[in-house]
Amino acid sequence: EADIYQTPRYLVIGTGKKITLECSQTMGHDKMYWYQQDPGMELHLIHYSYGVNSTEKGDLSSESTVSRIRTEHFPLTLESARPSHTSQYLCASSDPPGSGGRGTQYFGPGTRLTVL
Amino acid sequence: AQSVSQHNHHVILSEAASLELGCNYSYGGTVNLFWYVQYPGQHLQLLLKYFSGDPLVKGIKGFEAEFIKSKFSFNLRKPSVQWSDTAEYFCAVLLNAGNNRKLIWGLGTSLAVNP
Repeated sequence: EADIYQTPRYLVIGTGKKITLECSQTMGHDKMYWYQQDPGMELHLIHYSYGVNSTEKGDLSSESTVSRIRTEHFPLTLESARPSHTSQYLCASSDPPGSGGRGTQYFGPGTRLTVL
Repeated sequence: AQSVSQHNHHVILSEAASLELGCNYSYGGTVNLFWYVQYPGQHLQLLLKYFSGDPLVKGIKGFEAEFIKSKFSFNLRKPSVQWSDTAEYFCAVLLNAGNNRKLIWGLGTSLAVNP
């Protein structure tokens, strides 16, 4: 069982609010990821990080921002939530490519966000 | 552009039926291959993975997958499904291309197993 945590699990919030979705992992992985997934749909990579102070935008454009000040922590922030942000947000981290896991990604339980 | 194709978006089976979910990728280099499963209301879990060696890999819960390099395929199989296998299944391919290794995801296959 991978040790990657996300809080909150569920969040219902009004339009215009600022929110931060938390993600932390205790595996010491350098690489971390945020995906957006609508129910029954594919995963879209929105942000990733190769280590502390490294953040990159993913394939799907997102109005969210991320930070990576500590290895174990990779929070995602929405400055002003809108109904179009309603989705599930999945955090993941991965083994180093040179390790036995060879880049296997491990996922947290997700945060289901609803913006009214 | 590199891509991963999962041929069936929705599959409905009866219990004890055999399962095969197709996955093909478009990339000529070395790859690592994964199948993930997402049970209703649960997080994505690794089902099995292939890095090298025996192209037939066995995963959890009786699943297996076969890597056929010539066909760029990594199909998932299970001889006899159970109701509890109802879930979303995702194929993913890690492209081993220099330092910027990228995981490419398929669109997913929704499997419903009727009791």
